[in-house]
Amino acid sequence: NAGVMQNPRHLVRRRGQEARLRCSPMKGHSHVYWYRQLPEEGLKFMVYLQKENIIDESGMPKERFSAEFPKEGPSILRIQQVVRGDSAAYFCASSPGQGTGPGNTIYFGEGSWLTVV
Amino acid sequence: KNEVEQSPQNLTAQEGEFITINCSYSVGISALHWLQQHPGGGIVSLFMLSSGKKKHGRLIATINIQEKHSSLHITASHPRDSAVYICAVGYTGTASKLTFGTGTRLQVTL
Repeated sequence: NAGVMQNPRHLVRRRGQEARLRCSPMKGHSHVYWYRQLPEEGLKFMVYLQKENIIDESGMPKERFSAEFPKEGPSILRIQQVVRGDSAAYFCASSPGQGTGPGNTIYFGEGSWLTVV
Repeated sequence: KNEVEQSPQNLTAQEGEFITINCSYSVGISALHWLQQHPGGGIVSLFMLSSGKKKHGRLIATINIQEKHSSLHITASHPRDSAVYICAVGYTGTASKLTFGTGTRLQVTL
């Protein structure tokens, strides 16, 4: 049973380009979370998705960022027209059920490191 | 305001020492997580707690709901324990997203 798979692990983009980060949750998990870790800062929640639905996007920047979790395939975090400030590690996590309550263990991926030059 | 405070921020220990990392939070939670992150690496979930105490190998995590405080203990520390340890909570009512502490950077030397 593979863990949470993220790709690419490292991505370099020039300012103005688009970045697409993919996350395949653990088998049997239908809940996906994206978190961002800026350099020298803590992790911050971005968005919570279930299959085909965005449940909570209160941590997403208002512009240029979008996320989806289609019926088939991985969840994708898309950043349009990247700027240097988008350089960060983006972590995906998945869980079998809703929320982070007892019994609903959350598993993290290895992260995707985005560098904008 | 939801906040998660960790202490210490940095910790250096000699191999074999007993280590304690503390985490305090401000309001009611549904669960608290202890996570481990190696430099440039992914995040591993060590524990998820809603009450009491859990033990896994040399790691012990405790939580006091009334005091809104949790501790992570490492017994007989080893250089391979060197990592950043992060406390994260899922607040009641916003359990869909975790709020993270800034982490404790642990260095265990020989």
